[in-house]
Amino acid sequence: DVKVTQSSRYLVKRTGEKVFLECVQDMDHENMFWYRQDPGLGLRLIYFSYDVKMKEKGDIPEGYSVSREKKERFSLILESASTNQTSMYLCASSLEAPANNSPLHFGNGTRLTVT
Amino acid sequence: AQSVTQLDSQVPVFEEAPVELRCNYSSSVSVYLFWYVQYPNQGLQLLLKYLSGSTLVESINGFEAEFNKSQTSFHLRKPSVHISDTAEYFCAVTKAAGNKLTFGGGTRVLVKP
Repeated sequence: DVKVTQSSRYLVKRTGEKVFLECVQDMDHENMFWYRQDPGLGLRLIYFSYDVKMKEKGDIPEGYSVSREKKERFSLILESASTNQTSMYLCASSLEAPANNSPLHFGNGTRLTVT
Repeated sequence: AQSVTQLDSQVPVFEEAPVELRCNYSSSVSVYLFWYVQYPNQGLQLLLKYLSGSTLVESINGFEAEFNKSQTSFHLRKPSVHISDTAEYFCAVTKAAGNKLTFGGGTRVLVKP
């Protein structure tokens, strides 16, 4: 079974702090994704990556950046955390693009609170 | 751009009753459609998908969804729900040549005994 591991289940940070959310997958997947999940808004794509050192903006990239130095690891960075970034963050990976019949495998999420 | 609308944010239902979760999408090109489920305190997992062929697709636990191109819908149904079906359900779409998945707002199903 594919395992997608997010380093923290709960995180509390102060406004203005730099925050790193880490995600590791163990199945040599090409594609990795960061979503945020908010009630009533579902999942919104922040960034995704289809190869090492490659990244593409999703639908809501403002205030975030990402890093993919190794295939198995995809980091989400909040350069200066703000209260409107309080949310559940979900990492996912897939072997190929979703359109190629390749399902996304999700981690259990990191609930970030910015005070 | 593609988008997905799930018309019901919450659906309470009694055990053994039927349930339907509505999903409509918009896209100017051909799409693939998915339903994902998130059980309490767990990550999302794929429930079923439509890529091509038969417009009626089924999951292993009794759910089915029908792709209706003219109505741009992909509603999810189950004829008789169990307590264990309590979860949040997400409809998602990707363009046929796309590399990202767009999700709807989710529908929370609460099955009551």
